[in-house]
Amino acid sequence: DADVTQTPRNRITKTGKRIMLECSQTKGHDRMYWYRQDPGLGLRLIYYSFDVKDINKGEISDGYSVSRQAQAKFSLSLESAIPNQTALYFCATQTSGRSGELFFGEGSRLTVL
Amino acid sequence: GEDVEQSLFLSVREGDSSVINCTYTDSSSTYLYWYKQEPGAGLQLLTYIFSNMDMKQDQRLTVLLNKKDKHLSLRIADTQTGDSAIYFCAESISSGSARQLTFGSGTQLTVLP
Repeated sequence: DADVTQTPRNRITKTGKRIMLECSQTKGHDRMYWYRQDPGLGLRLIYYSFDVKDINKGEISDGYSVSRQAQAKFSLSLESAIPNQTALYFCATQTSGRSGELFFGEGSRLTVL
Repeated sequence: GEDVEQSLFLSVREGDSSVINCTYTDSSSTYLYWYKQEPGAGLQLLTYIFSNMDMKQDQRLTVLLNKKDKHLSLRIADTQTGDSAIYFCAESISSGSARQLTFGSGTQLTVLP
Protein backbone atom coordinates (compact mmCIF):
# COMPACT_ATOMS: atom_id res chain seq x y z
CA ASP A 1 0.00 0.00 0.00
CA ALA A 2 1.15 3.53 -0.78
CA ASP A 3 2.46 5.62 2.10
CA VAL A 4 0.63 8.69 0.81
CA THR A 5 -2.79 8.05 -0.69
CA GLN A 6 -4.87 10.54 -2.60
CA THR A 7 -8.53 10.25 -3.53
CA PRO A 8 -10.01 10.63 -6.03
CA ARG A 9 -7.29 9.96 -8.64
CA ASN A 10 -9.37 11.52 -11.38
CA ARG A 11 -12.34 13.86 -11.24
CA ILE A 12 -14.28 15.82 -13.82
CA THR A 13 -16.59 18.51 -12.52
CA LYS A 14 -18.42 21.63 -13.63
CA THR A 15 -17.75 25.27 -12.93
CA GLY A 16 -19.18 26.35 -9.58
CA LYS A 17 -19.18 22.93 -7.96
CA ARG A 18 -17.50 22.24 -4.63
CA ILE A 19 -14.76 19.65 -4.77
CA MET A 20 -12.74 17.99 -2.04
CA LEU A 21 -9.49 16.15 -2.61
CA GLU A 22 -8.40 13.91 0.22
CA CYS A 23 -4.98 12.81 1.36
CA SER A 24 -4.04 10.26 3.97
CA GLN A 25 -0.59 9.09 5.03
CA THR A 26 0.97 6.28 6.99
CA LYS A 27 4.43 7.87 7.23
CA GLY A 28 3.74 9.36 10.66
CA HIS A 29 4.93 12.76 9.47
CA ASP A 30 3.60 15.96 10.99
CA ARG A 31 4.26 18.11 7.93
CA MET A 32 1.91 17.87 4.97
CA TYR A 33 1.62 19.87 1.76
CA TRP A 34 -0.68 20.41 -1.19
CA TYR A 35 0.89 21.29 -4.54
CA ARG A 36 -0.54 21.95 -7.93
CA GLN A 37 1.27 20.89 -11.14
CA ASP A 38 0.70 22.59 -14.46
CA PRO A 39 2.69 21.84 -17.64
CA GLY A 40 5.73 24.07 -17.89
CA LEU A 41 5.13 25.60 -14.46
CA GLY A 42 6.40 22.86 -12.21
CA LEU A 43 4.89 22.47 -8.75
CA ARG A 44 3.38 25.39 -6.93
CA LEU A 45 2.54 25.31 -3.25
CA ILE A 46 -1.11 25.82 -2.31
CA TYR A 47 -1.21 25.16 1.46
CA TYR A 48 0.89 23.43 4.07
CA SER A 49 0.47 22.23 7.61
CA PHE A 50 3.13 21.53 10.22
CA ASP A 51 0.72 19.84 12.63
CA VAL A 52 -3.00 19.48 13.21
CA LYS A 53 -3.28 22.99 14.67
CA ASP A 54 -1.11 24.70 12.11
CA ILE A 55 -2.28 25.72 8.61
CA ASN A 56 -0.35 28.04 6.30
CA LYS A 57 -1.02 29.56 2.92
CA GLY A 58 1.33 28.86 0.06
CA GLU A 59 1.99 30.97 -3.01
CA ILE A 60 -1.34 30.20 -4.75
CA SER A 61 -3.94 29.70 -2.00
CA ASP A 62 -6.70 31.88 -3.49
CA GLY A 63 -9.75 29.78 -4.35
CA TYR A 64 -8.65 26.89 -2.12
CA SER A 65 -9.10 25.87 1.49
CA VAL A 66 -7.73 22.99 3.55
CA SER A 67 -8.57 20.99 6.61
CA ARG A 68 -6.17 18.98 8.76
CA GLN A 69 -8.50 16.48 10.37
CA ALA A 70 -5.78 14.42 12.02
CA GLN A 71 -2.04 13.92 11.75
CA ALA A 72 -2.67 11.45 8.96
CA LYS A 73 -5.30 13.39 6.98
CA PHE A 74 -5.08 16.64 5.04
CA SER A 75 -7.83 17.58 2.60
CA LEU A 76 -7.97 20.29 -0.04
CA SER A 77 -11.24 21.94 -1.05
CA LEU A 78 -12.26 24.06 -4.00
CA GLU A 79 -15.35 25.90 -2.79
CA SER A 80 -16.48 26.94 -6.26
CA ALA A 81 -14.37 25.33 -8.97
CA ILE A 82 -13.34 27.30 -12.05
CA PRO A 83 -11.73 26.06 -15.28
CA ASN A 84 -8.28 27.46 -14.51
CA GLN A 85 -8.15 25.15 -11.50
CA THR A 86 -7.87 22.26 -13.94
CA ALA A 87 -4.56 20.68 -12.95
CA LEU A 88 -2.81 17.76 -11.35
CA TYR A 89 -2.81 18.06 -7.56
CA PHE A 90 -0.26 16.42 -5.29
CA CYS A 91 -0.25 15.83 -1.59
CA ALA A 92 3.10 15.33 0.11
CA THR A 93 4.45 14.64 3.56
CA GLN A 94 7.84 15.73 4.80
CA THR A 95 10.35 14.04 7.02
CA SER A 96 11.51 15.97 10.06
CA GLY A 97 15.05 14.78 9.35
CA ARG A 98 17.79 17.08 8.06
CA SER A 99 17.15 16.39 4.41
CA GLY A 100 13.56 17.61 4.45
CA GLU A 101 12.66 14.94 1.90
CA LEU A 102 9.12 15.09 0.56
CA PHE A 103 7.06 11.95 -0.06
CA PHE A 104 4.38 12.41 -2.70
CA GLY A 105 1.07 10.78 -3.40
CA GLU A 106 0.27 9.66 -6.93
CA GLY A 107 -1.73 12.77 -7.72
CA SER A 108 -5.35 13.75 -8.30
CA ARG A 109 -6.18 14.92 -11.80
CA LEU A 110 -8.98 17.48 -11.70
CA THR A 111 -10.78 18.78 -14.78
CA VAL A 112 -13.19 21.68 -14.41
CA LEU A 113 -15.49 22.19 -17.38
CA GLY B 1 12.24 35.83 -3.96
CA GLU B 2 13.02 32.23 -4.77
CA ASP B 3 13.18 31.12 -8.38
CA VAL B 4 14.38 27.83 -9.82
CA GLU B 5 14.83 27.49 -13.56
CA GLN B 6 15.31 24.49 -15.81
CA SER B 7 15.03 23.86 -19.52
CA LEU B 8 11.82 22.06 -20.41
CA PHE B 9 13.07 19.29 -22.71
CA LEU B 10 16.12 17.08 -23.27
CA SER B 11 16.56 14.16 -25.66
CA VAL B 12 19.46 11.71 -25.59
CA ARG B 13 20.32 8.40 -27.19
CA GLU B 14 20.25 5.25 -25.11
CA GLY B 15 23.71 4.63 -23.66
CA ASP B 16 24.77 8.28 -23.79
CA SER B 17 25.10 10.53 -20.76
CA SER B 18 22.34 12.99 -19.90
CA VAL B 19 23.03 16.30 -18.21
CA ILE B 20 20.11 18.23 -16.76
CA ASN B 21 20.85 21.75 -15.60
CA CYS B 22 19.19 24.01 -13.06
CA THR B 23 19.79 27.51 -11.76
CA TYR B 24 18.46 28.92 -8.52
CA THR B 25 18.44 32.37 -7.03
CA ASP B 26 18.41 32.07 -3.25
CA SER B 27 21.94 32.01 -1.90
CA SER B 28 20.69 30.84 1.50
CA SER B 29 19.55 27.49 0.06
CA THR B 30 20.82 24.74 2.30
CA TYR B 31 19.76 21.62 0.41
CA LEU B 32 19.23 21.12 -3.30
CA TYR B 33 17.30 18.18 -4.66
CA TRP B 34 16.58 16.21 -7.77
CA TYR B 35 13.16 14.54 -7.96
CA LYS B 36 11.99 12.18 -10.70
CA GLN B 37 8.41 11.91 -11.93
CA GLU B 38 7.47 8.92 -14.04
CA PRO B 39 4.26 9.00 -16.10
CA GLY B 40 1.14 8.79 -13.96
CA ALA B 41 3.07 8.89 -10.72
CA GLY B 42 4.07 11.31 -8.03
CA LEU B 43 7.55 12.70 -7.57
CA GLN B 44 10.23 10.58 -5.96
CA LEU B 45 13.48 11.84 -4.51
CA LEU B 46 16.46 10.80 -6.62
CA THR B 47 19.23 12.48 -4.71
CA TYR B 48 20.07 15.64 -2.84
CA ILE B 49 23.17 17.63 -2.00
CA PHE B 50 23.99 19.80 0.96
CA SER B 51 25.12 23.29 0.04
CA ASN B 52 28.62 22.86 1.48
CA MET B 53 29.35 20.08 -1.03
CA ASP B 54 30.52 20.45 -4.63
CA MET B 55 29.73 16.99 -5.88
CA LYS B 56 27.83 13.89 -4.94
CA GLN B 57 27.92 10.58 -6.77
CA ASP B 58 25.45 7.76 -6.42
CA GLN B 59 25.86 4.89 -8.90
CA ARG B 60 24.94 6.34 -12.34
CA LEU B 61 24.00 9.72 -10.90
CA THR B 62 26.41 12.62 -10.38
CA VAL B 63 25.27 15.90 -8.90
CA LEU B 64 27.45 18.97 -9.33
CA LEU B 65 26.87 22.17 -7.39
CA ASN B 66 28.44 25.50 -8.29
CA LYS B 67 27.39 27.68 -5.41
CA LYS B 68 29.05 30.80 -6.78
CA ASP B 69 27.00 30.61 -9.98
CA LYS B 70 23.96 29.07 -8.23
CA HIS B 71 24.04 26.24 -10.74
CA LEU B 72 23.10 22.63 -10.11
CA SER B 73 23.38 19.76 -12.57
CA LEU B 74 22.39 16.12 -12.67
CA ARG B 75 24.37 13.76 -14.86
CA ILE B 76 22.97 10.33 -15.64
CA ALA B 77 25.57 7.96 -17.06
CA ASP B 78 24.62 5.24 -19.54
CA THR B 79 21.08 6.57 -19.90
CA GLN B 80 18.42 3.91 -20.33
CA THR B 81 14.87 4.04 -21.67
CA GLY B 82 13.65 3.61 -18.08
CA ASP B 83 15.23 6.96 -17.27
CA SER B 84 12.65 8.72 -19.46
CA ALA B 85 10.74 10.93 -17.04
CA ILE B 86 10.39 14.50 -15.82
CA TYR B 87 13.23 15.63 -13.56
CA PHE B 88 12.63 18.43 -11.08
CA CYS B 89 15.26 20.50 -9.40
CA ALA B 90 14.30 21.98 -6.02
CA GLU B 91 15.93 24.21 -3.44
CA SER B 92 15.07 24.39 0.19
CA ILE B 93 15.12 27.27 2.60
CA SER B 94 14.86 26.78 6.32
CA SER B 95 11.59 28.09 7.67
CA GLY B 96 11.73 27.79 11.42
CA SER B 97 12.18 24.10 12.08
CA ALA B 98 11.08 23.05 8.59
CA ARG B 99 12.42 23.26 5.08
CA GLN B 100 10.30 24.85 2.39
CA LEU B 101 11.00 23.51 -1.08
CA THR B 102 10.71 25.53 -4.26
CA PHE B 103 10.57 23.49 -7.46
CA GLY B 104 11.67 24.25 -10.98
CA SER B 105 9.41 23.67 -13.96
CA GLY B 106 10.82 20.20 -14.61
CA THR B 107 12.86 18.86 -17.53
CA GLN B 108 11.24 16.17 -19.68
CA LEU B 109 13.98 13.67 -20.51
CA THR B 110 13.32 11.49 -23.54
CA VAL B 111 15.67 8.57 -24.17
CA LEU B 112 15.76 7.48 -27.80
CA PRO B 113 16.62 3.89 -28.76
